[in-house]
Amino acid sequence: DADVTQTPRNRITKTGKRIMLECSQTKGHDRMYWYRQDPGLGLRLIYYSFDVKDINKGEISDGYSVSRQAQAKFSLSLESAIPNQTALYFCATSDPDTPDNYGYTFGSGTRLTVV
Amino acid sequence: AQKVTQAQTEISVVEKEDVTLDCVYETRDTTYYLFWYKQPPSGELVFLIRRNSFDEQNEISGRYSWNFQKSTSSFNFTITASQVVDSAVYFCALSEAASGSGGYQKVTFGIGTKLQVIP
Repeated sequence: DADVTQTPRNRITKTGKRIMLECSQTKGHDRMYWYRQDPGLGLRLIYYSFDVKDINKGEISDGYSVSRQAQAKFSLSLESAIPNQTALYFCATSDPDTPDNYGYTFGSGTRLTVV
Repeated sequence: AQKVTQAQTEISVVEKEDVTLDCVYETRDTTYYLFWYKQPPSGELVFLIRRNSFDEQNEISGRYSWNFQKSTSSFNFTITASQVVDSAVYFCALSEAASGSGGYQKVTFGIGTKLQVIP
């Protein structure tokens, strides 16, 4: 099983619909993140969480919300999807106290298309 | 403010050629980390390397090598004898040092360099 699992892998939804992207991890990390990737813009941070009681906005949180249901689960919701939210979404975890893996571990991504 | 610049948006090389991907960064921190990630056509992001700001030693891993120079704020990535499987988008990233369990490990990504290796 992958360390960080995202579901669904691909999703097409209509404008105005509510959609949830899910992320679960088996690494035991406290820190989890949601990023979106757009061509020519790299990865931009949407939300991050340090534990189940700690949720923080990133650079581009407008139009998104998150829920940290457990240490291992971090969901991203689009309350009313719009076409410019079409992007590749990544969930990631990190543990800066682990010397051998200071980098993020990313999920495989969710490709979301809003029509 | 942190900034990562990958000036090369797309590079094409013929298989077996060497190729260097450039990364220039800006930060006010004295302690920071630099990363490279690979994103193959399948879309996942694969961690390649982490470098901390106190370690300017170059690193080699098989056909991959990294040249970190604080004097020019650069962290360049070279692939020797490129192969078709190296075709991917490569991201350089910069992270502040996390200030303990209460600190936020801000990571700034470059826009990526798309490498195409032609057989």
